Amino acid sequence: GDSVTQMEGPVTLSEEAFLTINCTYTATGYPSLFWYVQYPGEGLQLLLKATKADDKGSNKGFEATYRKETTSFHLEKGSVQVSDSAVYFCALIVNQAGTALIFGKGTTLSVSS
Amino acid sequence: GAVVSQHPSWVICKSGTSVKIECRSLDFQATTMFWYRQFPKQSLMLMATSNEGSKATYEQGVEKDKFLINHASLTLSTLTVTSAHPEDSSFYICSANDDTDTQYFGPGTRLTVL
Repeated sequence: GDSVTQMEGPVTLSEEAFLTINCTYTATGYPSLFWYVQYPGEGLQLLLKATKADDKGSNKGFEATYRKETTSFHLEKGSVQVSDSAVYFCALIVNQAGTALIFGKGTTLSVSS
Repeated sequence: GAVVSQHPSWVICKSGTSVKIECRSLDFQATTMFWYRQFPKQSLMLMATSNEGSKATYEQGVEKDKFLINHASLTLSTLTVTSAHPEDSSFYICSANDDTDTQYFGPGTRLTVL
């Protein structure tokens, strides 16, 4: 079945460090890919998305590129801030109307000043 | 952007009682809503897909008689946890699709069963 695999956390970085959170997927169809972020005590927020191969999603300094050949959608940010501390979820949806997102297990990022 | 609300945000109840959680799409109509459950430090697990005016579709292993879902209108879905027990304590999150099939998430409801 369809699935998402994320790197295990927690990831602990100093402010201004470079961030990579790996995400790979398995899908029977041609999925759309997403990164969601969950700040402490809050609900999930869409961070970025990509709907086809080689698309790059970007938002708030975060980027991820849809790589069909490696079935990956790694999240990157060049310089993290303390306010980026959160749990990050990679997710996919196979392009059928009304289907639910399939989530990875989440990666906790902790950034210290 | 589109907003999805949940009510209540936190509920504590005694074992054996029933709890209703509401999920509303505030500024759009949602033909499809989803209910997820999130355990501490774990991912979201889909419980059921709720379509307006029809019965919900439950994921394997989710007891439909225990987790009653009603999607009576295009802006409201409810999840009722019947005869709740401590093992039902969890974070319940709903989401709703707009007409572009973009999914928006509610803030979640934390249920604690004593």
